[in-house]
Amino acid sequence: AQKITQTQPGMFVQEKEAVTLDCTYDTSDPSYGLFWYKQPSSGEMIFLIYQGSYDQQNATEGRYSLNFQKARKSANLVISASQLGDSAMYFCAMREGEMNTGFQKLVFGTGTRLLVSP
Amino acid sequence: GAVVSQHPSWVICKSGTSVKIECRSLDFQATTMFWYRQFPKQSLMLMATSNEGSKATYEQGVEKDKFLINHASLTLSTLTVTSAHPEDSSFYICSASYREGRTDTQYFGPGTRLTVL
Repeated sequence: AQKITQTQPGMFVQEKEAVTLDCTYDTSDPSYGLFWYKQPSSGEMIFLIYQGSYDQQNATEGRYSLNFQKARKSANLVISASQLGDSAMYFCAMREGEMNTGFQKLVFGTGTRLLVSP
Repeated sequence: GAVVSQHPSWVICKSGTSVKIECRSLDFQATTMFWYRQFPKQSLMLMATSNEGSKATYEQGVEKDKFLINHASLTLSTLTVTSAHPEDSSFYICSASYREGRTDTQYFGPGTRLTVL
C-alpha cells in the first residue's frame, strides 16, 4: 500500500492566487513527521515545511502553510499569493517514528507539478 | 537551513567504467546521509542510508556491490557506481540529516546527473 499519496499530477494557478496541493498518508505509527519539498527544474530538493504528528497547530513558513487533518490523514500544502518562481514539482514525504530521527528514512509521494501563470 | 553539496553535478562515462559521486555537508556534521535515485518524471527512491564509520544500509533490491557507499567522515559520503551500464543512467541525489528546531530535517544536495554511454 502506498504510504504517501499525491493524487494531483499537475496543478495550474494564476499568479497571486492561493493553491492547495493534496497529500494523504498511511501509517499505524502514532509518531511521525510530514515534510514538503520543492524541486525546481534544476533538480535540487528544497525543504519547505514540517509538521509533527503531535503538533497541535498547523505549521506555517512564510507563504507556505500545512493544512494538517490528522483524523483524515491528510497534510495538504497551501501556497498563498503564488509567484512565477513557485512553478516546480512538489513532493510530500513522511518519516515514521519521531524518536532519534536522524537516521530514519523518508518515504516520498509521486509529486505534483505546479505551474504558475502570469 | 543547512547546505549540502554534491560533486560532480553531471558526468558522462563509457559503459564499464566506475564513477564516484561526493556528497558533503558544508556547515554541519552529518552522522547520517542518504542516497536517492530519481528517474525522469518520477519520485525519489531511497537507495541506501550511509552512517559515518559503519557500513551503509541498503534498501531492498539495491546491489551493494554495484553501488558502493563510503561515509569516511562526518561531512563526506561517497557513492561509487561500479562498472556502470546505460541502465544506471539516472539522477542521483544525496541528503544529510540536520537538527534544526523540533526535528531532524533532511537537506538535499543539488544532485548528479549520470549518463552512461
